[in-house]
Amino acid sequence: EAGVAQSPRYKIIEKRQSVAFWCNPISGHATLYWYQQILGQGPKLLIQFQNNGVVDDSQLPKDRFSAERLKGVDSTLKIQPAKLEDSAVYLCASSTGTTYVEQFFGPGTRLTVL
Amino acid sequence: DAKTTQPTSMDCAEGRAANLPCNHSTISGNEYVYWYRQIHSQGPQYIIHGLKNNETNEMASLIITEDRKSSTLILPHATLRDTAVYYCIVRVGLAGGFKTIFGAGTRLFVKA
Repeated sequence: EAGVAQSPRYKIIEKRQSVAFWCNPISGHATLYWYQQILGQGPKLLIQFQNNGVVDDSQLPKDRFSAERLKGVDSTLKIQPAKLEDSAVYLCASSTGTTYVEQFFGPGTRLTVL
Repeated sequence: DAKTTQPTSMDCAEGRAANLPCNHSTISGNEYVYWYRQIHSQGPQYIIHGLKNNETNEMASLIITEDRKSSTLILPHATLRDTAVYYCIVRVGLAGGFKTIFGAGTRLFVKA
């Protein structure tokens, strides 16, 4: 079974530039999550989708971050414009549902903002 | 905020049991306790979960106290590859389901 795919794996940009990350969840998984993990901290949930609807985006900085999950399958997370403090690993995860216990994580995208 | 507290770091000798504690004193009666681990440069990996009874799978055992205010993850024979950050999680209910909040976790060092 293929796992959660993410691209790119690494990205370096300058502050005020824009960047986009892509995630393809495990086939059939209705729930998709985007997390931000700053060095030395646990992952922080940014947004959670159930199919193509948003379940929770309370910690998403909506002035600069946006995410979409068209057709309820793959998803993109965008930052525009980026700040230095956005440097982090962005993890995508999926599960069969919000009540299901196990989330499967992708390898993450490491973003460096200079 | 995370609903759990864990020690920042722990050491364990290779081949010995690693016992990782977690406090979740505000847990509700129907909330599960979940454990994930994160090996360096990888995404978190699910280990085990439990409600009231002790649980065991091929990776670990989970011991939950009778009052459910704390639990212990046990790796029975730790190997060097078990060096990772271990997260104890109690999910938060949402209108549409549940939300997973990770704390800082426990950094386990398995030493030869």
